[in-house]
Amino acid sequence: GENVEQHPSTLSVQEGDSAVIKCTYSDSASNYFPWYKQELGKGPQLIIDIRSNVGEKKDQRIAVTLNKTAKHFSLHITETQPEDSAVYFCAASMVGGNQFYFGTGTSLTVIP
Amino acid sequence: SAVISQKPSRDICQRGTSLTIQCQVDSQVTMMFWYRQQPGQSLTLIATANQGSEATYESGFVIDKFPISRPNLTFSTLTVSNMSPEDSSIYLCSGGLQETQYFGPGTRLLVL
Repeated sequence: GENVEQHPSTLSVQEGDSAVIKCTYSDSASNYFPWYKQELGKGPQLIIDIRSNVGEKKDQRIAVTLNKTAKHFSLHITETQPEDSAVYFCAASMVGGNQFYFGTGTSLTVIP
Repeated sequence: SAVISQKPSRDICQRGTSLTIQCQVDSQVTMMFWYRQQPGQSLTLIATANQGSEATYESGFVIDKFPISRPNLTFSTLTVSNMSPEDSSIYLCSGGLQETQYFGPGTRLLVL
C-alpha cells in the first residue's frame, strides 16, 4: 500500500519568514494530494490540494508543489503569521478512491 | 465543501461502558469515514461507513469493538464498546465529497 513520509516533524520560524513542509509518497498511482491544518482542539481543515496533472498551485500565501517523477510534494507558506501556528498533515490518495494516506504531521510554530 | 458536526465534543467515561458518537453532514456526501487520532499523532482510519450496509473496517479494528451505522447519506454513528483506558483518543468523522474529505471537530474521549 501507499506510504507517506513527512518532514520535518517540528518547525519554528520567525514571523514573516517562509515555512516549507515536505512529503514523499511511494505509490505512483496516487494522484491527489491534499494538505490539512489542525489547530489545537479542532479537526483537520483542508487548506489546499493538488492533482497530479498540475505541478504547482497557489492560494494567497500558501502554495503546493508536486514532483511526480520524484514522488514528493511540498507545502510553502510565505509571510508567516502567528495564526499559522498549527499541525499540518499531508495526504495522498487516488481520485475516486476511498483511502487517504496521511503523513505523520508537522508542528509549525511562528514566533512573533 | 461540507460542514460536519459531531456530538459529543468530549466525554469522560468509565471502563467497561460504551459511548456512541454521532456525525452529521450538511450535504449528501458520497463517503463517510471514522478515524482515531492519538494525542500528537497522525490519523488512523478505523472504517468506512457504508449507507445501509455493514461498515468496511481497517486492519486492527473490528465490528464488535467499533460498531458503525449509517442509516442515510448525511448521518453516521460510531460506538466505542466495552471501553478501556487504551481507547482514550480523539475520534474524527469525515465526509468524502468529490475527491477530498472534510473533517468534523472531533470527539475527545477519556476513559478512566
